[in-house]
Amino acid sequence: KAGVTQTPRYLIKTRGQQVTLSCSPISGHRSVSWYQQTPGQGLQFLFEYFSETQRNKGNFPGRFSGRQFSNSRSEMNVSTLELGDSALYLCASSLDEGGSHEQYFGPGTRLTVT
Amino acid sequence: GENVEQHPSTLSVQEGDSAVIKCTYSDSASNYFPWYKQELGKRPQLIIDIRSNVGEKKDQRIAVTLNKTAKHFSLHITETQPEDSAVYFCAASSGGANNLFFGTGTRLTVIP
Repeated sequence: KAGVTQTPRYLIKTRGQQVTLSCSPISGHRSVSWYQQTPGQGLQFLFEYFSETQRNKGNFPGRFSGRQFSNSRSEMNVSTLELGDSALYLCASSLDEGGSHEQYFGPGTRLTVT
Repeated sequence: GENVEQHPSTLSVQEGDSAVIKCTYSDSASNYFPWYKQELGKRPQLIIDIRSNVGEKKDQRIAVTLNKTAKHFSLHITETQPEDSAVYFCAASSGGANNLFFGTGTRLTVIP
C-alpha cells in the first residue's frame, strides 16, 4: 500500500496570505489528523477528521481550518498567515477500526511565512 | 488537557549499550501510548505502541513499559546501533481519540 502523501512539500507565503495544504491517507484509512511541528512548541495537534466530519480539535485559532472529502483526502487551510505559522505541517492517517488507532504520518509540508 | 513530559532531552550512548527514555502523562483517561522515531528531515515513524491494558510490549530490540498507577511509560532500546540515532517522541491519547499529545522529544545519539 502507498503511504500517506502530502502536497505541496514546500511552500513560501507572505504574511496576510492564505494557504491550503493537502493530505491523501493510506488507502482504506478513514481518519486524518493534522499536526504542527515547530522547534519551539514541538508536535501539536490541530484537528482530526473522520467520515468528512471534524471529530477532535486542538487549541489553535480559527484561522486554522480543515475539511475531509468522501474519498478521505483532507485539506487544511490557514488564513491571514502570521510569521509564527512557519512550521512543518504533518498529517497522519489511521484505520480507526476495531480499536486500531495507529497513526501513520505523511512527509509533511514545510511552510515558510515571510 | 493532557500534558506529556519526556526525559532526557538528549541521550548519548556507546554502540551496543542500552538506551532508556521516560515519559509521564497527566490524564488518567489516557489509554494509548505510541512511540515515534524521527530521523532528520523525515516523517515521524511509529516504532511501537502500548495500550493501558498491557504492562509491557517487546519488538526485537525495542520494548515499552507502562505503569498506569504512576502514569509513566518508558522506551527501552537494547544493543543500540548507529542507525538508532534519531529523535524519539512519546505520545498519549485517550478514549479512542486520534489526537495525540506528544512529549518534547529525545535526541538519541549512538556513538560507534
